[in-house]
Amino acid sequence: SAVISQKPSRDICQRGTSLTIQCQVDSQVTMMFWYRQQPGQSLTLIATANQGSEATYESGFVIDKFPISRPNLTFSTLTVSNMSPEDSSIYLCSVAGTSGRGSYNEQFFGPGTRLTVL
Amino acid sequence: GQQVMQIPQYQHVQEGEDFTTYCNSSTTLSNIQWYKQRPGGHPVFLIQLVKSGEVKKQKRLTFQFGEAKKNSSLHITATQTTDVGTYFCAGSRSNAGGTSYGKLTFGQGTILTVHP
Repeated sequence: SAVISQKPSRDICQRGTSLTIQCQVDSQVTMMFWYRQQPGQSLTLIATANQGSEATYESGFVIDKFPISRPNLTFSTLTVSNMSPEDSSIYLCSVAGTSGRGSYNEQFFGPGTRLTVL
Repeated sequence: GQQVMQIPQYQHVQEGEDFTTYCNSSTTLSNIQWYKQRPGGHPVFLIQLVKSGEVKKQKRLTFQFGEAKKNSSLHITATQTTDVGTYFCAGSRSNAGGTSYGKLTFGQGTILTVHP
């Protein structure tokens, strides 16, 4: 399985500022995703990070608010822009399509970034 | 859009009792996956079901995929305190090209607590 790290692990930010979250994988992966999870709630997919092209956003999420980069097959960033308290959540990256596995569907999740916006 | 409903939302059991969570999709799925998230942790992949009517077992855990590929269940026999956590089902549909890198739609999760 892939080993995934996220930075920062947590942060407290002021409203109106932006935070960039990094996701690093120890091996090349085909797919990278960004999710949001409110405490005690389910996971909501924000977007699929595409290498070398614009991310594919889910309904309700836009690039201006959540710009995403994926410069190569092992790294991606998610920026939460112009933050408000409603953006307080846990942000998780996940990967799929790791090499050496018979099935390429299962997703491996990073440890998450706990964001609090004041 | 695709919706995945999961029940119950909460389940409290005594250690040794059985536990079942159910998942139902509004559309036919290409596969369904199950994840476990411990308190304070991140989701961890448990299993994937692909075939209609498929049943898979992992020790005390039994996973089923419905004949219509729209519902699924996870059953835990004789729960232990280590089973505590939130269990999510997640449905995937193949993309137009038929490849298997489908994005997942997660159910709401079932929070399991086990009293010793």
